[in-house]
Amino acid sequence: EIVMTQSPATLSVSPGERATLSCRASQSVSSNLAWYQQKPGQAPRLLIYGASTRATGIPARFSGSGSGTEFTLTISSLQSEDFAVYYCQQYNNWPPERTFGQGTKVEIK
Amino acid sequence: QVQLVQSGAEVKKPGASVKVSCKASGYTFTSYGISWVRQAPGQGLEWMGWISAYNGNTNYAQKLQGRVTMTTDTSTSTAYMELRSLRSDDTAVYYCARDAQIAVAGFFDYWGQGTLVTVSS
Repeated sequence: EIVMTQSPATLSVSPGERATLSCRASQSVSSNLAWYQQKPGQAPRLLIYGASTRATGIPARFSGSGSGTEFTLTISSLQSEDFAVYYCQQYNNWPPERTFGQGTKVEIK
Repeated sequence: QVQLVQSGAEVKKPGASVKVSCKASGYTFTSYGISWVRQAPGQGLEWMGWISAYNGNTNYAQKLQGRVTMTTDTSTSTAYMELRSLRSDDTAVYYCARDAQIAVAGFFDYWGQGTLVTVSS
């Protein structure tokens, strides 16, 4: 199983500031990496797939980068609606089991 | 618009089984897969497995092998997830999600609203 490790566990950011979230894979997943946002009581929402492609309707302030084992999600200027938990997820060809990181909570500073 | 509508909350006793449904609309059901993801209270997301709505191929998480079965009914565009021999640590919100890949599990672009399954004696 590929283990996904996110850091930090909690990120305190002021509205309008930049947030940088990290995700590391225990082995290379190429660019087979997705990011999701989850707010309390809601289902997750796809933000990024293919490590850097924004999903439909996702604002341009969200961007993803990286390949292999190191990935980053950047929110360029945090809006009030962006305070949530963010998960990375790998979907590499092998092994076929899919795994999520443990999540990063972005909270208001 | 794409929608996944799940069945309602369930309360089960340890050792019982639960079957959750997920009715899809707004897209060609057989052109995508369905993955199931669960989330225990206050915890992160756990992928449970995937089924191709095209040919019924499945891939289950190793820790659930032997206890979980995923099926589809293409006539009603509905996916099902059955979990057997329930334990207290199976208490979670269970989500179905449209899987963007059809041949193997991929990433999940649309999600159901979630179904709370509570296992308690």
